[in-house]
Amino acid sequence: SYVLTQPPSVSVAPGKAARLPCGGDNIGRKGVQWYRQRPGQAPMLVIYFDSARPSGIPERFSGSNSGNTATLNIGRVEAGDEADYYCQVWDPDSDSAIFGGGTKLTVL
Amino acid sequence: EVQLVESGGVVVQPGGSLRLSCAASGFIFADYQMHWVRQAPGKGLEWVALITWDAQTTHYAEAVKGRFTISRDNNNNSLHLQMNSLRTEDTALYYCAKEGTQLSMLDSWGQGTLVTVTS
Repeated sequence: SYVLTQPPSVSVAPGKAARLPCGGDNIGRKGVQWYRQRPGQAPMLVIYFDSARPSGIPERFSGSNSGNTATLNIGRVEAGDEADYYCQVWDPDSDSAIFGGGTKLTVL
Repeated sequence: EVQLVESGGVVVQPGGSLRLSCAASGFIFADYQMHWVRQAPGKGLEWVALITWDAQTTHYAEAVKGRFTISRDNNNNSLHLQMNSLRTEDTALYYCAKEGTQLSMLDSWGQGTLVTVTS
């Protein structure tokens, strides 16, 4: 079945930009969603269809998707951005939603 | 405001059965596909099942196929997950999630209900 690969952790200093990759075979041909999950909370959608932002999500959050890598970019990182981030696609070959293993973003 | 409230999570023995429910409000429930997603303690998200708006089509993760059944009651704005032949590896927080305008785009989530399978 389709596999999405995310680095377990990424660290960034406050005010800097964070780049969270999500690898998958020809993932550029799929629509990618990104979810943020703060400790003790339910996941929240932050990016859908590669780069679209739901209402209420700051412009600091952006997404891109090409080739074998999708990327969530977070500009001017704040302490409140510290969370686990998951990428997700729909796999039509297995008729199932696939989540990456998640990346823990630490704000130094 | 969209609200999804899960219930039904308990401690159950391996081989047992359980039925989870999700009460939906704040949107036209009958218009949207719905999902169940689970998260084992300290682990990542794992998709479980999907049901179309009209309940005509369902899809399941391989790990639960043949044991779990997703269903919905559009008259009562509720989503259900019947879980049979439970295994210890089914222990998780189970989330109900609403799909948005794109396939598998989960734009609203409940707070989850905890299922613990242990002898």
